[in-house]
Amino acid sequence: KAGVTQTPRYLIKTRGQQVTLSCSPISGHRSVSWYQQTPGQGLQFLFEYFSETQRNKGNFPGRFSGRQFSNSRSEMNVSTLELGDSALYLCASSLLAGVEQYFGPGTRLTVT
Amino acid sequence: LAKTTQPISMDSYEGQEVNITCSHNNIATNDYITWYQQFPSQGPRFIIQGYKTKVTNEVASLFIPADRKSSTLSLPRVSLSDTAVYYCLVGDDRYSSASKIIFGSGTRLSIRP
Repeated sequence: KAGVTQTPRYLIKTRGQQVTLSCSPISGHRSVSWYQQTPGQGLQFLFEYFSETQRNKGNFPGRFSGRQFSNSRSEMNVSTLELGDSALYLCASSLLAGVEQYFGPGTRLTVT
Repeated sequence: LAKTTQPISMDSYEGQEVNITCSHNNIATNDYITWYQQFPSQGPRFIIQGYKTKVTNEVASLFIPADRKSSTLSLPRVSLSDTAVYYCLVGDDRYSSASKIIFGSGTRLSIRP
């Protein structure tokens, strides 16, 4: 069974630009969550989607948004990028929701 | 939501058994204990999950005492490739929201030849 895939794997953007990251969950998984990981803050929850509905959102500004499609694929968007948005963005999928999640390899975003 | 405490770092040698203990004094009745492994620049990988007593899979064992206020991840005969950060998580029942899952700082395990 194919794992969680994320595209692109690496991205370099400049301040003020926007970016869209994509995540394809494991086949059959309906829950997709997004996390931001930085050396200083560790892994922080961004948002969670289940059957195209956002169930929860973490403590991030409105510049961070996401959506989930009917095939469970998900995208997250960050507008007006700031230097502090440089991080590894991880997507995880699970059959329903909860602690047993399967993570993708992440997208390394660098903002210059 | 139960908070976890685990050592910041540990060192060991190839071939040794490594035990990483996690403290979760406020664990709730419905909480499961889950461990993840993360290599640099990769997403965390689910290792093992348990509720009580002992759980074993092909990768590790998880020991949970009767009071469930702590748990120990045991890695038998470690190799250099086990060098990673290990996260202990305590979460609601399996169908709770991912927003309630908190990855702490984890334990940075370094294995030496």
